[in-house]
Amino acid sequence: QSVLTQPPSVSAAPGQKVTISCSGSSSNIGNNYVSWYQQLPGTAPKLLIYDNNKRPSGIPDRFSGSKSGTSATLGITGLQTGDEADYYCGTWDSSLSASYVFGTGTKVTVL
Amino acid sequence: QVQLVQSGAEVKKPGASVKVSCKASGYTFTSYDINWVRQATGQGLEWMGWMNPNSGNTGYAQKFQGRVTMTRNTSISTAYMELSSLRSEDTAVYYCARIYDSEDYWGQGTLVTVSS
Repeated sequence: QSVLTQPPSVSAAPGQKVTISCSGSSSNIGNNYVSWYQQLPGTAPKLLIYDNNKRPSGIPDRFSGSKSGTSATLGITGLQTGDEADYYCGTWDSSLSASYVFGTGTKVTVL
Repeated sequence: QVQLVQSGAEVKKPGASVKVSCKASGYTFTSYDINWVRQATGQGLEWMGWMNPNSGNTGYAQKFQGRVTMTRNTSISTAYMELSSLRSEDTAVYYCARIYDSEDYWGQGTLVTVSS
C-alpha cells in the first residue's frame, strides 16, 4: 500500500488537458523532490518530470509538474492518443528508512 | 548508448530463491546507483532498494529487509538482485533502473513467476 495517493483514472478528449494529483505527507513530498513517470502498455516506466517541475531532454512541454506543500501535480495539455498510459509520481520518504516510494498510479484514457 | 540488459524469465516454487541479473553497458558501471523496482501484473510500481556499484553499499525497502540482497560484479558490470523465501505474491516483473537527475535507463524487465 503506497503512501502516495493518486486518482485511479482520468480521461479527456484529444487536445484537452488533464491533471493528475499526488498526495503525500511531510516525510515524503513535503521535504523531497518529486518525479513523474509514464508507463506505456507493456513497457518499462520512463521519466517525465524530475525535481518537481523539470523535464528531461526530449520530453515535450505539454507535460508539466508542480508541487505545493505535501502534494504534487502532473499536467498534460494537448492530449494525444499516444499519451494513453499509466502515470506514477515518486519521491523519497524519510520515515521509511530512506525508501523511495511510488504513487498508486493513474491511468490516463484519451476518449 | 546506455543499456541495462536483464536475465530471462524464471519460474520458482514457493520458498525458493531467485537471482536476477542486470548487465550495464555504455557507461562507467561504478558511477551510478542501480535501483530495483517490481510490478505485479496489473499493479503499480514498487521500489525494492538501491545499490552503489562502487562501494557495494545498499539500501532496502523495509518490506523486503531480510529477504532481498543486492550485489554486483564490477569486472563484468553486472548488478544482481536476489529475493529469498519466495511466495506467490512475489510473482511480478522485476526491473533494474539507473535513475539520476534528468536521465533514466531501465532494463527490459524479468518476469518471475512463483508457483507450486
